[in-house]
Amino acid sequence: NAGVTQTPKFQVLKTGQSMTLQCAQDMNHEYMSWYRQDPGMGLRLIHYSVGAGITDQGEVPNGYNVSRSTTEDFPLRLLSAAPSQTSVYFCASSYSKAAQGSYNEQFFGPGTRLTVL
Amino acid sequence: AQKVTQAQTEISVVEKEDVTLDCVYETRDTTYYLFWYKQPPSGELVFLIRRNSFDEQNEISGRYSWNFQKSTSSFNFTITASQVVDSAVYFCALNRGGKLIFGQGTELSVKP
Repeated sequence: NAGVTQTPKFQVLKTGQSMTLQCAQDMNHEYMSWYRQDPGMGLRLIHYSVGAGITDQGEVPNGYNVSRSTTEDFPLRLLSAAPSQTSVYFCASSYSKAAQGSYNEQFFGPGTRLTVL
Repeated sequence: AQKVTQAQTEISVVEKEDVTLDCVYETRDTTYYLFWYKQPPSGELVFLIRRNSFDEQNEISGRYSWNFQKSTSSFNFTITASQVVDSAVYFCALNRGGKLIFGQGTELSVKP
């Protein structure tokens, strides 16, 4: 298994440009999420999905869109990049038995380092 | 409010010293899960342990041990006989409805 994969690893954008960060997992996990990591702030949840066709906002959703058309893929779109979106982005997935209130560990991708000039 | 606090921003020790990383959490949920993740200099996030709120037994895995105390809302992590390879940022996290709430992280530096 490849686990959770993310592309690209590095990206530089100019203010106002748009782009999509790709995330894929091959573990048939129901739950997928996007986090951003900023110095001194830990990781903060951007958007998450509990299954194909279902997405919801996390703590810091503004400026980002997501969709979940398949179980495997969960792309993150920046519609109009801003310098405040300079960060390291992590995608994660887990097998979540939400109905039984049991949550397994989330597996993280290698991250995408994004710089917005 | 759901919150995780790791008050120690940076810790520096000499190899073979024992070190404890503190984690304090806030939640109103009666059922919850706590996690520790390690982020080495290479940047990936590595899962270390999961603990649910009904299991207060301490856990030991090699040189790693975890002390979960509901009475003080703490889930501390101890590394015994630290090694240079333990140098990393360590995150404590609270799982609420499948969403992870992370602490700010503690950067551990183990010097030879």
